[in-house]
Parts: sequence; C-alpha cells; structure tokens
Amino acid sequence: DSGVTQTPKHLITATGQRVTLRCSPRSGDLSVYWYQQSLDQGLQFLIQYYNGEERAKGNILERFSAQQFPDLHSELNLSSLELGDSALYFCASSVGSSGRLGDTQYFGPGTRLTVL
Amino acid sequence: TQLLEQSPQFLSIQEGENLTVYCNSSSVFSSLQWYRQEPGEGPVLLVTVVTGGEVKKLKRLTFQFGDARKDSSLHITAAQPGDTGLYLCAGTYSSASKIIFGSGTRLSIRP
Repeated sequence: DSGVTQTPKHLITATGQRVTLRCSPRSGDLSVYWYQQSLDQGLQFLIQYYNGEERAKGNILERFSAQQFPDLHSELNLSSLELGDSALYFCASSVGSSGRLGDTQYFGPGTRLTVL
Repeated sequence: TQLLEQSPQFLSIQEGENLTVYCNSSSVFSSLQWYRQEPGEGPVLLVTVVTGGEVKKLKRLTFQFGDARKDSSLHITAAQPGDTGLYLCAGTYSSASKIIFGSGTRLSIRP
C-alpha cells in the first residue's frame, strides 16, 4: 500500500460524458501527479500540482483539467469523453516539487476508465 | 514521440534463468529510475541512478546507468516467478520536473 488513494477504482461511461477522478496523496506529500496509461501509449505524464498550484504540464488534452485543493487532494476532470480516452489513470504523490533524486513518486492503484 | 525505448517488449523465461532488460534514449537524463508494475496496481519504484556508470544492486537485481547517462540496463539473476511484472524505466531532465516513462518490458517467469 503506497498511501495514495484513488477513487473510483472503475468507471464506465459513454462518449460525450464528463467524469471526475479523485486522488488523496500520502500524508505530508505536497505534490500530486496525474498519468494516463493505455496499451498503445504507455504511461504518459499529464500534469503536476504542488501545494495547490500547477507545476508542470505534460501531454494533457484541453478537454482534461485538474486541480489541487487546500487539503491537497486532487481531482482530474475529463470532459467530452471519446473512446480513445479509455485507459488507466494513475495519481502519484511526492514530498517535494521535482521529479528528481530524493523526491520519490508513490503511485496510487489507479482508476480504470472505460468509455463506451 | 517515445524518448525512452525499452527492449525487449516481452520476455518469457524459465525460473532460474538470467535476463537483461535495456532502456535507451538519445537524450541525457539527470537521473533514471526503474519501476515494477503488477496487474491492477500502480508502478513501484525499485531504484534511482544519477551518476554515469553507476551500478546499484537490489538482491538479485543489478541496475546500471550508462556512462553518458543516456541508457540503462536491469539484470536479474536466477529469475523467480515473483519477478513477473511490467518493468518501466523513467528518466528526468535537470531542467524539468516531469518524468518520461519508457515503453515497458513485460516479463513472465515460468515455474
């Protein structure tokens, strides 16, 4: 158990819909990272928040957005869903703001999104 | 564009055999990490290497960072069924906080 929790574990929805994925970081961690893992694209970094502010952006679509709240939990919002958005979405947390040595990222169990 | 290429993509070997997984890039990384991911779970960090030529051992696993900090290898001796999983390498640049993950090597150890 990494200490990072994600809800829901599974989500099935239809194209065009909007969903919200939730992540609670490990106690004491200020950074939250979101990743998308699909069979054809592997694990792709989407976005990072540090202490409530956006810190780094990766391959995140404009239809997707995220935020980190004062209690440090984070939500990833996916809208106008397409079939290709079906994937595993992981949240990770770390103590600091960088992904470098000494700032280990701990991954949650993921949310499996299926868009029908 | 996949900046980190892993090979092989799939590997199925008998228990007790040795194996090596490679992670290659044309980019120089400030650090490189290896993760193992089991079905239904998130990746778990195994090791971080930061110095060119660095070798780290974790029981039966040996990790090496290339001299130029562009590539890495993971060697497993006497593989066991518990080693089965998806192995991911990931690199970080000194100028950015994001991590770039490799394409992964899916390892299966037959008893």
